[in-house]
Amino acid sequence: EVQLVESGGGLVQPGGSLRLSCAASGFTFSSYWMHWVRQVPGKGLMWVSRINNDGSSTDYADSVKGRFTISRDNTKNTLYLQLNTLRAEDTAVYYCARDQAVVRGYDFDYWGQGTLVTVSS
Amino acid sequence: DIQMTQSPSTLSASVGDRVTITCRASQSISSWLAWYQQKPGKAPKLLIYKASSLESGVPSRFSGSGSGTEFTLTISSLQPDDFATYYCQQYNSHSYSFGQGTELEVK
Repeated sequence: EVQLVESGGGLVQPGGSLRLSCAASGFTFSSYWMHWVRQVPGKGLMWVSRINNDGSSTDYADSVKGRFTISRDNTKNTLYLQLNTLRAEDTAVYYCARDQAVVRGYDFDYWGQGTLVTVSS
Repeated sequence: DIQMTQSPSTLSASVGDRVTITCRASQSISSWLAWYQQKPGKAPKLLIYKASSLESGVPSRFSGSGSGTEFTLTISSLQPDDFATYYCQQYNSHSYSFGQGTELEVK
């Protein structure tokens, strides 16, 4: 069974940093692109970042470029998102999601349960 | 960046109704369009990929169509479990984005 489990969320002050993790199981992690998507409670979904299967290529939404860094450790089956210079508007639930790009196209077939990041003083 | 516009934002319907949600892209995205269903407190669930392909395990009352800039999600006969929020999602040239969502509510 495919599972994605996020962790690392919490309360952080504006300007602070946080590292999110997403532990993957039930599939060959190193074969899939992975993403982070966020959602302000009660609002819509926003794509944050994508990494290809071997970690050699990344993309970011303009609003997080230069502040967030996506990475992965295929030996640990874990995806990461380093969040730096956090702002109040980064407050959201952060989901990791698996991309089917390698197989069929750019959709997200499995999602984690999400981890809440709150940026507040 | 490509903007995705969903309509309507809210849709009131009854069990058994046929409903259609539209998603328009600000430029052509070929068929790289997916649809998701999300319920409160839960992660999104993939329904349709590549504009018209039904994800495994998703009931056949869900269908998708379109290409280029205009896409639709149709639910042929609404069931009680279908009342939720629906999002479209596109991919184009190293960037992804979602529509703002359509809340499907009980009439």
